[in-house]
Amino acid sequence: IAGITQAPTSQILAAGRRMTLRCTQDMRHNAMYWYRQDLGLGLRLIHYSNTAGTTGKGEVPDGYSVSRANTDDFPLTLASAVPSQTSVYFCASSAGQGPYGYTFGSGTRLTVV
Amino acid sequence: AQSVTQLDSHVSVSEGTPVLLRCNYSSSYSPSLFWYVQHPNKGLQLLLKYTSAATLVKGINGFEAEFKKSETSFHLTKPSAHMSDAAEYFCVVLGGTNKLIFGTGTLLAVQP
Repeated sequence: IAGITQAPTSQILAAGRRMTLRCTQDMRHNAMYWYRQDLGLGLRLIHYSNTAGTTGKGEVPDGYSVSRANTDDFPLTLASAVPSQTSVYFCASSAGQGPYGYTFGSGTRLTVV
Repeated sequence: AQSVTQLDSHVSVSEGTPVLLRCNYSSSYSPSLFWYVQHPNKGLQLLLKYTSAATLVKGINGFEAEFKKSETSFHLTKPSAHMSDAAEYFCVVLGGTNKLIFGTGTLLAVQP
């Protein structure tokens, strides 16, 4: 593993189903983030974690939950998927406070039908 | 609160001509600003970043951006466009507690 690994790369999901998007980093970065990307809206922050054991809500947190049991993993769960959650999801990490470089994963393309 | 506004959703240029992608920012303090590029069906790549050092920032692939406090702008430029520059470009500001705040993106098309 080098950087951030997201899984799956793509998924088609029936509405109402539960889904967990996985994100793992091997850089020992303190902070991790989940963004969703939608056409014409750019990337919007869903949830973030500044350090293991803590999480916070971003701009569009409704319908999503996260956990940060350790430094490396930051899974995003959709408890009951809805079509409006069709999007491309990016996980990111950074070393900490200040303008340190971010690292982004390759994204997960999720379609809820 | 910090925010960025990308003034053009689409820009089309001919190969070999200059590129200008416009971004204005809003910040209550000296901002950290970034430009990211996303090629079709790819992830995000950092082009350049401004962190209160030199106001003219040089990035990868011949891109550069100039921080102008008086105009609250951070426009991205390149002297000569290549076909490989066709992509979506995001202007980004560092928000509170180290979170990135993205603009809505500018899709750059390069015509042969």
